[in-house]
Amino acid sequence: GDSVTQMEGPVTLSEEAFLTINCTYTATGYPSLFWYVQYPGEGLQLLLKATKADDKGSNKGFEATYRKETTSFHLEKGSVQVSDSAVYFCALVVRAQKLVFGQGTRLTINP
Amino acid sequence: EPEVTQTPSHQVTQMGQEVILRCVPISNHLYFYWYRQILGQKVEFLVSFYNNEISEKSEIFDDQFSVERPDGSNFTLKIRSTKLEDSAMYFCASFQTPATGYTFGSGTRLTVV
Repeated sequence: GDSVTQMEGPVTLSEEAFLTINCTYTATGYPSLFWYVQYPGEGLQLLLKATKADDKGSNKGFEATYRKETTSFHLEKGSVQVSDSAVYFCALVVRAQKLVFGQGTRLTINP
Repeated sequence: EPEVTQTPSHQVTQMGQEVILRCVPISNHLYFYWYRQILGQKVEFLVSFYNNEISEKSEIFDDQFSVERPDGSNFTLKIRSTKLEDSAMYFCASFQTPATGYTFGSGTRLTVV
């Protein structure tokens, strides 16, 4: 079945550090890929998405490129801020089926 | 920006009681979902709803659960005879097409005591 695997957390970085959160997937067909963010005490917010191979999603300084050859969708940011502290979920959807989430990666940024 | 609205934000209920969680999806969206997140764990799919019927449900979504779209705007999740292990954050979501991405509500935290 369809699945998403994220790098284990938690991840702790200093402000202005470079961030990578790895995400790989297994899917039948051609999925759309997403990153969602959950700030403390809040719901899930769509951070960025990519719907086909080689697409790059970007938002708020975060980027992720849909790599079909490596079945990956790694999240990157060049310079993180304290306000980026949150849990990040990689997810996929195939056609109109359910959204399948990775296990989430907790990110803490220290000043 | 349009939002998915969930009420209540927090519900405490005694074990064995019935609860109804309410959601108002975005008005032009066609697909509706319920997910849950047990504290500190993965977000899990419960059920999808399209064209006024369940299109898919997970193994979690047993006879204890039901969904309804009683009118043109509300989408409800009913949990009969709640158990301690039903304590979780329940998220409603909707989308117009899969490629546009889901919009999630802010969730209902259900605590069963």
